[in-house]
Amino acid sequence: EPEVTQTPSHQVTQMGQEVILRCVPISNHLYFYWYRQILGQKVEFLVSFYNNEISEKSEIFDDQFSVERPDGSNFTLKIRSTKLEDSAMYFCACRQGGASYEQYFGPGTRLTVT
Amino acid sequence: SQQGEEDPQALSIQEGENATMNCSYKTSINNLQWYRQNSGRGLVHLILIRSNEREKHSGRLRVTLDTSKKSSSLLITASRAADTASYFCATGANSKLTFGKGITLSVRP
Repeated sequence: EPEVTQTPSHQVTQMGQEVILRCVPISNHLYFYWYRQILGQKVEFLVSFYNNEISEKSEIFDDQFSVERPDGSNFTLKIRSTKLEDSAMYFCACRQGGASYEQYFGPGTRLTVT
Repeated sequence: SQQGEEDPQALSIQEGENATMNCSYKTSINNLQWYRQNSGRGLVHLILIRSNEREKHSGRLRVTLDTSKKSSSLLITASRAADTASYFCATGANSKLTFGKGITLSVRP
């Protein structure tokens, strides 16, 4: 069964450094998402991406964040200058589109900012 | 904003018993979804119910939706130890899902 993959599974970085989190969504899906979950808290929406552009973003997704689908298969989330409060699990998700609203999530990348 | 909030926050039952989890939300929706998350893992989609549906079944899962009360329930019948996980309801449409805080279900063998 097709699945969403994410790399790396765990990333440790120093405050102020740039990180790129990578995702490979399910191949025939059209809508892509990033969510994050700070330890012990709820899953929060960051951004949605469709037709090679951002369709919606949350207040969390400020100028330090960007997304890209560089080659038609990878979907990346970049944090330009990480802060301690960016430490969280980051989940990529995708949706097929049309009348299908189910989202399929990857296993997540645990980002630790020190 | 559309927001699911679940109750109880934690539920502990014996294997074989049924588990009922509830979710309330605030605004109009076109669908409501339930997801499961095992500790430290990603979310797994369980079931989706559309706003024009009142009840839906999938294996041991039964979900109901009452749009007049803006609430949903997830029933897991004949629970197993492997059902131990966190369960989230989520509301949304095309762009995003809004999750509740989740319910921690523990099924004792």
